[in-house]
Formats: sequence, C-alpha cells, structure tokens
Amino acid sequence: AQSVTQLGSHVSVSEGALVLLRCNYSSSVPPYLFWYVQYPNQGLQLLLKYTTGATLVKGINGFEAEFKKSETSFHLTKPSAHMSDAAEYFCAARSGGSNYKLTFGKGTLLTVNP
Amino acid sequence: GAVVSQHPSRVICKSGTSVKIECRSLDFQATTMFWYRQFPKKSLMLMATSNEGSKATYEQGVEKDKFLINHASLTLSTLTVTSAHPEDSSFYICSARGLAGVGEQFFGPGTRLTVL
Repeated sequence: AQSVTQLGSHVSVSEGALVLLRCNYSSSVPPYLFWYVQYPNQGLQLLLKYTTGATLVKGINGFEAEFKKSETSFHLTKPSAHMSDAAEYFCAARSGGSNYKLTFGKGTLLTVNP
Repeated sequence: GAVVSQHPSRVICKSGTSVKIECRSLDFQATTMFWYRQFPKKSLMLMATSNEGSKATYEQGVEKDKFLINHASLTLSTLTVTSAHPEDSSFYICSARGLAGVGEQFFGPGTRLTVL
C-alpha cells in the first residue's frame, strides 16, 4: 500500500525566511503528487501537482515543489515566507489508473513569526 | 473554476437525530465525490467514495448504515449522519473529482458537526 510521510508535524519560520516542507512517498511506480493547504476551519486548497514531465512544479502563492524520483521525495518550498502562509499543509499521492483515491500525509503546521 | 460548496458550514444537533450535509460541484460535473472526516489536528480520513448513480464504496471500518451517502446527480452528493452521537462530532469534508487532467480532487469548505 502506498504511504506518504511528512517529516515534521510543525515547522516554524521567520517572515521572509525560506520555507521547506518535506514529503516522501513510498511507491514502486511514481504516483501523481499533490500539495494542499488548509486554513483553520476550511477545506483544502490545491497548491500544486506533479503528474509527468518537468520535475520542478510551480504553484500558487509563490510555492514550488520538486519531484525527485531517486529520493522518492516531493518537498515544498517558498523562498520568502509571508505571514499569510501560516496554515496546515498536506502532501498527497494518487496512484495511476482508475482509482482516484488520495493518500494523505499527516500534515505539517507552518507558523510564521514576525 | 472547480468550486465545491458544502452546506451547512456548521450544525449543532441533539444526540439521536439525523443530519444531512450537502456537497455540490458548482461549475463542473463530478462523477466521483469523496467524503472525508477530519479530527482536530489530524489528517483527513477517507470515509467513502461516491459515484453518480451507484452505491457508495465505504472504507474499512466506516458504518454504511450510519453514514448514508447519496449521489443523485453529477453535481450533488449528500452525507446523512443517522442517529448521531457525540462521538460523531467532527469536521466533515467532501471533494469532487474533476474530469480533466489527472482528475485531481477539489475540496469543499467543510462542515463542522457538533452533537450534544
């Protein structure tokens, strides 16, 4: 069964600092990969996705992620954190084929300090 | 585009009553919708997969008679929590699968259910 691991349940950065949220997946076949953001008491918003092709994926709000097959990783980065980036971030994976179920990581809470 | 709505956003009910939550895809047709449950400071737990015009597929451990799912049209799925109890209190989130691309899921804003 596929699994998604997010290292660090809580990441704290200063405003303007680099944001790095880690995600590793376990799958013999590279899955489709997603990063979602969740603000308090809201649903999930898609930040970016990797399907095929270019391994560096750019998303909304200045976020990007790089798919590294050799490391089975899909880490999320943003060069300069903003206060509005404070939220819960979820990495998710989906196998190919007709099963559209997502496997989610446990989430990483990002706090941004002024 | 790809907007999913949920109604109500929050509901408080008495133990033993039933509660219906609606999930709508507003600007696209969704042949598949998913229902999740999220506990405080936890990840999302998939409860069931709902396909338009057919019975929902429930994940292991989810009581299908307690969590009734109906997917009557390509834009509407409902989750009914029957005979709710305090332990059913949670944040329920639905998502709808888009037809384009890799069929990524678009999420609703969630419904906070509190059972007294």
